[in-house]
Amino acid sequence: EIVLTQSPATLSLSPGERATLSCRASRSVSTYLAWYQQKPGQAPRLLIYDASNRATAIPARFSGSGSGTDFTLTISSLEPEDFAVYYCHQRANWPRTFGQGTKVEIK
Amino acid sequence: EVQLVESGGGLIQPGGSLRLSCAPSGFTVSGNFMNWFRQAPGKGLEWVSVIYNDGSTHYADSVRGRFTVSRDNSKNTLYLHVNNLRAEDTAVYYCAGGPNSDYWGQGTLVTVSS
Repeated sequence: EIVLTQSPATLSLSPGERATLSCRASRSVSTYLAWYQQKPGQAPRLLIYDASNRATAIPARFSGSGSGTDFTLTISSLEPEDFAVYYCHQRANWPRTFGQGTKVEIK
Repeated sequence: EVQLVESGGGLIQPGGSLRLSCAPSGFTVSGNFMNWFRQAPGKGLEWVSVIYNDGSTHYADSVRGRFTVSRDNSKNTLYLHVNNLRAEDTAVYYCAGGPNSDYWGQGTLVTVSS
């Protein structure tokens, strides 16, 4: 099983600041990595697929990068609606796995 | 607009069974990858199962042999048959469709408790 480790567990930032979230895989997932955003009481929302492709209607302030074992989700300038939990997810191998999540909270 | 609606959750005793349903609109289950995920209360996301366009299926080790994913193309509905339920199966169950799980339902809560 591929283990995805996200860091940090919590990121405390102010609106307008830049957020950098990390996801590290225990072995290569090539670029078969996605990022999801989840707000309390809501279903996850796809942000980024195949490491760097923004999903439909996702604002340009969200970007993804990386390949192999190291990936980054960057939010260039945090908007109030961006404070949420973010999960990385790999579809390179069975079973599909998620990271444990990074909570982006208001400082 | 694509919408997925899950149903069928509820309170069930350990060892019991349920059938969860996922009915999309603006989206066909037969033409897409369809996944089931779950999220235990206060915990992270867990992949459960997938059914592909060709009907092939895969399962997480924790549910293999107890859960079965299927679809009814005539009803455009996805199902998850969950049997021999355990306390650790308590979670919100989500269906999601598309190659990257682009579209998600709102989830249905399954509570396994005596």
